[in-house]
Amino acid sequence: QVTLKESGPVLVKPTETLTLTCTVSGFSLSNPRMGVSWIRQPPGKALEWLAHIFSNDEKSYSTSLRSRLTISKDTSKSQVVLTMTNMDPVDTATYYCARIPGGDFFIDYWGQGTLVTVSS
Amino acid sequence: SYELTQPLSVSVALGQTARITCGRNNIGSKSVHWYQQKPGQAPVLVIYRDSNRPSGIPERFSGSNSGNTATLTISRAQAGDEADYCCQVWDSSTAAVFGGGTKLTVL
Repeated sequence: QVTLKESGPVLVKPTETLTLTCTVSGFSLSNPRMGVSWIRQPPGKALEWLAHIFSNDEKSYSTSLRSRLTISKDTSKSQVVLTMTNMDPVDTATYYCARIPGGDFFIDYWGQGTLVTVSS
Repeated sequence: SYELTQPLSVSVALGQTARITCGRNNIGSKSVHWYQQKPGQAPVLVIYRDSNRPSGIPERFSGSNSGNTATLTISRAQAGDEADYCCQVWDSSTAAVFGGGTKLTVL
């Protein structure tokens, strides 16, 4: 059974750095076909893709947020970590991690999401 | 940026057919995937690779993709189909791209 679960702070202050962890089970991050993305959704707004890490550790980032994002993984812990620097109230959103098999790159499994609020 | 255009809202009478579009120049050359999202829940894949249904998704859900428009079709719409629907493609230069989402209302 494949699951992904996000964890991290529910509240961060402006200018702080957000660190989110995605813990996966039911598949291995070393599986050559599997990658993991981070996606966010501000309240009442559309989904926005943030970053992706491939099985070979290659990374891809949103063009508009590239300078603020870092994605990494620890295969032994089955975890994918996203850091986002210089948080702003507009970054308030539900943050999801999701599994994306290689090939056609659709999301077959999503985490439940974690709401992060940016406020002083 | 590789933007995908969706109508903000679509309404359909109970039991009728709803069509939700996703537009972009030459989208027919890409694989398009569709997600359903109900309030307070994570999205769920309903169509992948233009027209394929994951296991557990009713046959009432179908998809097509040609030219500049991909379409998600929901036949015999039910009250439980009321949700937001979002299209997605993967581009080698921009990775995952989502449409703005369409709110489906079943009347």
